[in-house]
Amino acid sequence: ETGVTQSPTHLIKTRGQQVTLRCSSQSGHNTVSWYQQALGQGPQFIFQYYREEENGRGNFPPRFSGLQFPNYSSELNVNALELDDSALYLCASSSDRGDNIQYFGAGTRLSVL
Amino acid sequence: QQQVKQSPQSLIVQKGGISIINCAYENTAFDYFPWYQQFPGKGPALLIAIRPDVSEKKEGRFTISFNKSAKQFSLHIMDSQPGDSATYFCAASIEEAASGGSYIPTFGRGTSLIVHP
Repeated sequence: ETGVTQSPTHLIKTRGQQVTLRCSSQSGHNTVSWYQQALGQGPQFIFQYYREEENGRGNFPPRFSGLQFPNYSSELNVNALELDDSALYLCASSSDRGDNIQYFGAGTRLSVL
Repeated sequence: QQQVKQSPQSLIVQKGGISIINCAYENTAFDYFPWYQQFPGKGPALLIAIRPDVSEKKEGRFTISFNKSAKQFSLHIMDSQPGDSATYFCAASIEEAASGGSYIPTFGRGTSLIVHP
């Protein structure tokens, strides 16, 4: 186990709704990254937070937003859900020691109907 | 534009055989190349990684071969076992002293490996 937990594990929403996904980082990690993994594809980088500040963003629209809390847990919020948002959402935590290791959670499977 | 191209999409190997997965990248600024292993219902986990100052790195049955001039790298799994059956992702990133010191890998599309007993 990586020590990174995500909730919920599965979620079903309808188009136009909003969703919040949560991630608890591994102890001692101050950086969290979120990825979208469509079926049969590799993870696509959404954004990264370091010490509660956004530290990088991929090619995703503004309706994808995030937060990192003082305890370094994190949320991914998606507004105005679209059918193409159906995917596995992964969070990964890491430290700032420069070891280039991200520890992934098992993900949240989001289905948009 | 896909910056990291991975092949094959799927691979079936007999137990004891060699599994080979190939990746090619476009961005010459990439300087860190990890491979991830993902089992069903789990997130990806770092398997092995290489930097371009070496042409090969071996850890147990897993070897990365790296060809900087061709901008290609590959994963070799020797003596493949049924427990190796998983999806493998290559990735590439730029190591830089960004705030947080954390890197952001660009992933390939993945290879589904099945090792038959």
